[in-house]
Amino acid sequence: NAGVTQTPKFRILKIGQSMTLQCAQDMNHNYMYWYRQDPGMGLKLIYYSVGAGITDKGEVPNGYNVSRSTTEDFPLRLELAAPSQTSVYFCASCAVNTEAFFGQGTRLTVV
Amino acid sequence: AQSVTQLGSHVSVSEGALVLLRCNYSSSVPPYLFWYVQYPNQGLQLLLKYTSAATLVKGINGFEAEFKKSETSFHLTKPSAHMSDAAEYFCAVSESGAAGNKLTFGGGTRVLVKP
Repeated sequence: NAGVTQTPKFRILKIGQSMTLQCAQDMNHNYMYWYRQDPGMGLKLIYYSVGAGITDKGEVPNGYNVSRSTTEDFPLRLELAAPSQTSVYFCASCAVNTEAFFGQGTRLTVV
Repeated sequence: AQSVTQLGSHVSVSEGALVLLRCNYSSSVPPYLFWYVQYPNQGLQLLLKYTSAATLVKGINGFEAEFKKSETSFHLTKPSAHMSDAAEYFCAVSESGAAGNKLTFGGGTRVLVKP
């Protein structure tokens, strides 16, 4: 039982490049979330999903896109990387009455 | 809209001393409240949660928190700090419902434990 798995763990992007951060969970959770963590700011919600085929914007969605074609996977797409997207990204999942379980994070640097 | 304020971005305690981390929240509905801990280069791990049952909640590693509705607070305490408690701690609030536990986080408090 792996929980929430994020790949890659680290990535350096050049301005304007694109990439997909992968997130997979094996707990059959309906709810999945993407957060970004910046120093002193806590975690901010980027996008979330309440089930396969359903996604919605969080607090800071600009510059990102998501999809949820299966219950297990919730990839986050950066289309045109900008320095402001340098951050640590966390994926999380939960069921209706459970706490959120977090992945180990992806540290992204845009140069 | 919900929000969380953690007083103090850094706290330094001596080993064996009381750990007190402050959290105040605002929520338009009865909240679910959480404390998470993050060790260096790790994800977040749940310490404890309040979901409208007992107001004094006990968590892992000897931590506990008390929900005080009148003060809109959910402060985290541990009677005796251990070196292994050095980490960053996040308070979070959720208006659990159709979006599951969509969390709003405080800014975090980094705890340093001195020998």
